[in-house]
Amino acid sequence: GAGVSQSPSNKVTEKGKDVELRCDPISGHTALYWYRQSLGQGLEFLIYFQGNSAPDKSGLPSDRFSAERTGGSVSTLTIQRTQQEDSAVYLCASSPAGRDTDTQYFGPGTRLTVL
Amino acid sequence: SQQGEEDPQALSIQEGENATMNCSYKTSINNLQWYRQNSGRGLVHLILIRSNEREKHSGRLRVTLDTSKKSSSLLITASRAADTASYFCATARWRGGTSYGKLTFGQGTILTVHP
Repeated sequence: GAGVSQSPSNKVTEKGKDVELRCDPISGHTALYWYRQSLGQGLEFLIYFQGNSAPDKSGLPSDRFSAERTGGSVSTLTIQRTQQEDSAVYLCASSPAGRDTDTQYFGPGTRLTVL
Repeated sequence: SQQGEEDPQALSIQEGENATMNCSYKTSINNLQWYRQNSGRGLVHLILIRSNEREKHSGRLRVTLDTSKKSSSLLITASRAADTASYFCATARWRGGTSYGKLTFGQGTILTVHP
């Protein structure tokens, strides 16, 4: 079946603008994760959604970052007033039930460049 | 922040040779996973080893885990040029007795296999 998809694949924006990144998880997967990969910080956890539970937002670097997951499926990561240090590849992953032993299936990522 | 430290940061070998990558972590874990990443994009799950396991095999992959030393190693035997990629270890932790899928990644090892 279809894997995790993300859009856009590349996004170039100007400093101060807002951006929205989209993730379509594998159908039926209840858990969805956002990670960020940058040269300086490596792969960092951002946020985790599991079913109808309150999301774990502990990895969001600032209040400019927010995410929502509508209908338990598609998720949108929003970055407001983008800064140059937000430039990174944003990776989304989903897993069947959010168990720690579940394989996480990653999307191809969105490369964000803030000029 | 990154929990795992991986070494070497880069490894260059000839086809047919074995490649060994090491990962160390700092906190108690429930399991440790290895992922592969091509061209800086989506990650692919390779293998998972639970904290009560010491060794696991999957095809040409062999993973060991030493919880007393908080370290793991990934061995790729009879390497191929197609194995060229970045390899990351990731740890999953228990949170208050609840299964929790958030992964903390190491910095990664860049493996280059020359034909």
